[in-house]
Amino acid sequence: EDQVTQSPEALRLQEGESSSLNCSYTVSGLRGLFWYRQDPGKGPEFLFTLYSAGEEKEKERLKATLTKKESFLHITAPKPEDSATYLCAVQDGVQFYFGTGTSLTVIP
Amino acid sequence: NAGVTQTPKFQVLKTGQSMTLQCAQDMNHEYMSWYRQDPGMGLRLIHYSVGAGITDQGEVPNGYNVSRSTTEDFPLRLLSAAPSQTSVYFCASSQGPGGSQYFGPGTRLLVL
Repeated sequence: EDQVTQSPEALRLQEGESSSLNCSYTVSGLRGLFWYRQDPGKGPEFLFTLYSAGEEKEKERLKATLTKKESFLHITAPKPEDSATYLCAVQDGVQFYFGTGTSLTVIP
Repeated sequence: NAGVTQTPKFQVLKTGQSMTLQCAQDMNHEYMSWYRQDPGMGLRLIHYSVGAGITDQGEVPNGYNVSRSTTEDFPLRLLSAAPSQTSVYFCASSQGPGGSQYFGPGTRLLVL
């Protein structure tokens, strides 16, 4: 049973073209939802933690939001250096379940 | 601070061989975990530890052992390698079970 589903699998944007990535989850006792960025050949890098529906976090061109069943990562006016795979993870108890990620390419 | 370090970076094993993947952190984090990352599967939790002397199984523990004798170190042992264990392995640590995790650079393992 899939716990975390991310969409789209891949996204190509022109520089400056804003968009959103989606993460939907089915865990019953969500203790936290996490967003990570992963560059090729490297380990994931922490971006945000969200704990309750309605919560929002921002960092530079990224903004994460959370509802009861999904989270969005909004990217405003992206730059080529934002190209990476973005991973979503949910915490159920003391275990974490990751989605398969969205591969973002920002074209100059 | 070095953060989370992993050795080796790359390893080739033959089926049936055993080996230990090393993981260390210098942030005095209590929670440490091991994941494997396979194409199309996402990161899957193998084992985790909430403190020295305490370990537990994650989603895919079969074929792997762990121990946590110190706060800093959390080695992952492959008992008898199989081709299905070909993957990229990541170690991570956080202040507590609910904290943001810091990941190591990964170990690429190929089992022939």
